[in-house]
Amino acid sequence: DAGITQSPRHKVTETGTPVTLRCHQTENHRYMYWYRQDPGHGLRLIHYSYGVKDTDKGEVSDGYSVSRSKTEDFLLTLESATSSQTSVYFCAISESPGQGIGNNEQFFGPGTRLTVL
Amino acid sequence: QKEVEQNSGPLSVPEGAIASLNCTYSDRVSQSFFWYRQYSGKSPELIMSIYSNGDKEDGRFTAQLNKASQYVSLLIRDSQPSDSATYLCAVNLGTGGKLIFGQGTELSVKP
Repeated sequence: DAGITQSPRHKVTETGTPVTLRCHQTENHRYMYWYRQDPGHGLRLIHYSYGVKDTDKGEVSDGYSVSRSKTEDFLLTLESATSSQTSVYFCAISESPGQGIGNNEQFFGPGTRLTVL
Repeated sequence: QKEVEQNSGPLSVPEGAIASLNCTYSDRVSQSFFWYRQYSGKSPELIMSIYSNGDKEDGRFTAQLNKASQYVSLLIRDSQPSDSATYLCAVNLGTGGKLIFGQGTELSVKP
């Protein structure tokens, strides 16, 4: 398995509380991604990072922020959690996003199951 | 129109048969295509990537790409019950390496 860990693996929280999810990699890959997976919607990109302190929005970024202060860590923060953010969150890493290049494959972490009551 | 479409299934095949999974995509500039396998409650696992038209084989898996028709498929030969999972098709749109995923096809291999 690619060296990707996510913490916590499970979390239950209440509406309005802040939540931070952590993704940690030991592969020294430049690119990191946060996805959420919901029934009926599949996997959707929230935010991604293309280097330390370099991040950009994905398809469903509203209500989420990210930070990357070190190559190995990518944090996802829900500033004020809502019930619609109940989901399974996956982190992924990639060596390079280049088109037609073999090293743009993404590898996923084990996921975090978040429940917002 | 969804950018990546897959039949949701479930697709049921007998053990030993060939399972055929299909995916169509809408963006003609896409050049990188991936198949992931996801067991229930687990994370997606990359099983095949394909970049050029034609077939790519890896063990019991064959990925087929036809850019002119904008479809990519995955064949699983000699299907086993352990192949029962959801198979996700993903397409790289070329903007920051972002992948767009289909909703997945659930495959059930019956002993």
